[in-house]
Amino acid sequence: DQQVKQNSPSLSVQEGRISILNCDYTNSMFDYFLWYKKYPAEGPTFLISISSIKDKNEDGRFTVFLNKSAKHLSLHIVPSQPGDSAVYFCAASVGDDKIIFGKGTRLHILP
Amino acid sequence: DAMVIQNPRYQVTQFGKPVTLSCSQTLNHNVMYWYQQKSSQAPKLLFHYYDKDFNNEADTPDNFQSRRPNTSFCFLDIRSPGLGDAAMYLCATSREALSYNEQFFGPGTRLTVL
Repeated sequence: DQQVKQNSPSLSVQEGRISILNCDYTNSMFDYFLWYKKYPAEGPTFLISISSIKDKNEDGRFTVFLNKSAKHLSLHIVPSQPGDSAVYFCAASVGDDKIIFGKGTRLHILP
Repeated sequence: DAMVIQNPRYQVTQFGKPVTLSCSQTLNHNVMYWYQQKSSQAPKLLFHYYDKDFNNEADTPDNFQSRRPNTSFCFLDIRSPGLGDAAMYLCATSREALSYNEQFFGPGTRLTVL
């Protein structure tokens, strides 16, 4: 029973264009959402997060949007760079409870 | 550089033969986590330590145990590995056991069970 769903296993985007990674969740109690990025042979690293009281959080080229009514969040990367090629995990939590991860989306930035 | 280190990076064991994976950290974080990630699946939390307090997830099989002898080290013991336990095992740390505390991950240990 996947509470956090990343329905696109992979995504290819031209360098310089916008990358949009999507995530859906089923638990309406989730109040904190995170994105982690993972390069091959490395552990995931924290990228950006958003609290449920917000609908947008921006950090440089990375913006996360939260649509609570649709139980959907997305990560926008603008402009996409070759170093953005990685696996991106969406994650969510309720209060101080554990983080639930999605399966990840592999992003390929094409030259 | 402060980091989370996992040894070994690759571990091969035989069906039923006990195996121990290790994790160490130089971040001096209070919390250490063990995740299991099977191929193309989401990382799944097995258990975590807050300091010396052990917190097991309800669905973690009894076959999996953990030890944290001190702040820096944490071990994952698999008492009788089965073929279904083949996975990447990720260790992570955080300053506090709060979801908005960033977790720092090690590179993982890939376990193969023959």
